[in-house]
Amino acid sequence: AQTVTQSQPEMSVQEAETVTLSCTYDTSESDYYLFWYKQPPSRQMILVIRQEAYKQQNATENRFSVNFQKAAKSFSLKISDSQLGDAAMYFCASQGAQKLVFGQGTRLTINP
Amino acid sequence: DAMVIQNPRYQVTQFGKPVTLSCSQTLNHNVMYWYQQKSSQAPKLLFHYYDKDFNNEADTPDNFQSRRPNTSFCFLDIRSPGLGDAAMYLCATSRLPIGVPSSYNEQFFGPGTRLTVL
Repeated sequence: AQTVTQSQPEMSVQEAETVTLSCTYDTSESDYYLFWYKQPPSRQMILVIRQEAYKQQNATENRFSVNFQKAAKSFSLKISDSQLGDAAMYFCASQGAQKLVFGQGTRLTINP
Repeated sequence: DAMVIQNPRYQVTQFGKPVTLSCSQTLNHNVMYWYQQKSSQAPKLLFHYYDKDFNNEADTPDNFQSRRPNTSFCFLDIRSPGLGDAAMYLCATSRLPIGVPSSYNEQFFGPGTRLTVL
């Protein structure tokens, strides 16, 4: 079974600052993937960044990067130089054999 | 552009009146998923089709059914909607390589259908 926990229901950050969203997970699978998805208000969910569990190197996509601590089962998302368009619900997710399991989400607010 | 399309975007139905939600995709993906997302909650997988094979989640109520007449289309049928079924319903697709039991397969989401039950 897989579980994903996001302990921060809401976060806020000043525009241009850096924010880190936390995520912990648990899985019995040896081969799995971790994702951060972004869901803006009334808009569709899109993939922000992904991490293969067998890779030690942390994934990076432009202003978005992760801190993957496999032993601690932690997978945090860092957003640098926050922009107003980053305001959204962010979901951490774990994928084993086909099934994607989401955390409860963190609502991120960007303060101008 | 290749995409996942959901119709309608907003659906209102009456308590107990059957309703069908539609999803279509131009990505030619072999897997299609239906998720239920209640307000301020995480999406919850209801079921998915791997090609023509239907895979139901153990805790999905019998009130929810699905059909996939071809690769491009998938339908969610709610036979007797209750007030608790009001939610956003998300369709997603992915391409899962045949014969690989566990692999990376990014899921592409549609915009969702918001269902209101009166």
